[in-house]
This record gives sequence, C-alpha cells and structure tokens, in this order.
Amino acid sequence: GAVVSQHPSRVICKSGTSVKIECRSLDFQATTMFWYRQFPKQSLMLMATSNEGSKATYEQGVEKDKFLINHASLTLSTLTVTSAHPEDSSFYICSAPERGYGEQFFGPGTRLTVL
Amino acid sequence: DAKTTQPPSMDCAEGRAANLPCNHSTISGNEYVYWYRQIHSQGPQYIIHGLKNNETNEMASLIITEDRKSSTLILPHATLRDTAVYYCIVSLPESDKIIFGKGTRLHILP
Repeated sequence: GAVVSQHPSRVICKSGTSVKIECRSLDFQATTMFWYRQFPKQSLMLMATSNEGSKATYEQGVEKDKFLINHASLTLSTLTVTSAHPEDSSFYICSAPERGYGEQFFGPGTRLTVL
Repeated sequence: DAKTTQPPSMDCAEGRAANLPCNHSTISGNEYVYWYRQIHSQGPQYIIHGLKNNETNEMASLIITEDRKSSTLILPHATLRDTAVYYCIVSLPESDKIIFGKGTRLHILP
C-alpha cells in the first residue's frame, strides 16, 4: 500500500517557539491531506483539511493562526505550531487518501512536547 | 460527532476469533463502513471496508447486516500483535474526511 511519512517523529521545544511538522506522501500524489491531534488515552481529533494550492479548512474550535498549514506540492503538507505552549503537547498525525484505493493512509505520527 | 457506536473494550484469547461489533444506524446509502486500527503510539492502519456485501482480505472479514445498520469485524485468529484500538468509521470513499469515534480497545490475552 501507499506510504505516508512524517518528520520529525519526536520533537521537544521550549514554550513560545514554533515547530514545523512535515507530512509527505512517498509514492502517490495527494491533493488533500488531513491533520489530526491525539491526546493521551483519547481518540484522534481532526484539526484541518490541507488542500494543495488553496487555503486549509479548519475544524470548529481550531485556531488557524496558531496551527498554520501549507500544502506546497502534491506530496507535501506542513503543519506549523506557532508560539507553542505546554497545552499544545500532543501526538500529531497526518493522513492522505490515494485515489482509487478507497482508504486513507496515515503517517506514523509526531510527538510534540512543549516544555 | 462520530456516526458509529462501539463497545469501549473487549478481550479475546490468543488464537481465537475476535468479533468486534459496530452500530451505524444512521448510515446513508452511499456511505461505506471502514475499519482502522491504531497500535499504541503509531498512526492508524487501514484494515478493511465495505458498502453492502461482506468483505474479506488477508487481515480480516467484514460482515455487514442486510439493513446496513450494523457490522462486525472479524479477526479470524487473533495474535498478541492484534492488541490495538479498533475504529469503525462511516464515510464517503477516498477524499472525505474521517471523524474518529472512541473505538474499541481490544486486548488479546495469552
């Protein structure tokens, strides 16, 4: 099946700094990618839909100025957590559908810890 | 909100079949039933999906009731590596966003 990668897999940063997370579809093109956040012992929460060549669509309650999404190419979407605070510490996961296969492929996740 | 209801947890003995139920009484005619699982600290993994007919692949079988209001995921011979949270999802195919419910935490007992 198709592969989605994320980088970095783990990041620790100081409060107030910004962190960029990359999501790549390695062997297929993705005009749409999705970003999720998962807190310990909870389910995945959809944050936003990343659209190649246009603005991202954010779910209700997600601050678009804090979580900047850029879908620069058909294989890359980035999520930047700006001015990170300890409450932003979470597991961030991206996914991408590959047309013709009927399912979505998920990245391995990025664990963000804000000190 | 998620469109599905699943038991929060289940146990299954290693080597036995694990049968995970899911209710989706408000499913619409063109929505598919998808199953994903998430092993601890990893991204979700696709298992199987179906529309009306029962489906089987190398991982599992999916049994969908005739009225499509419920389904069952069957892992025929569960192993310890099948310990995970299993999510039943109702969605349009391919490009639609996935809304995750709470899933079922499956424990495989040695």
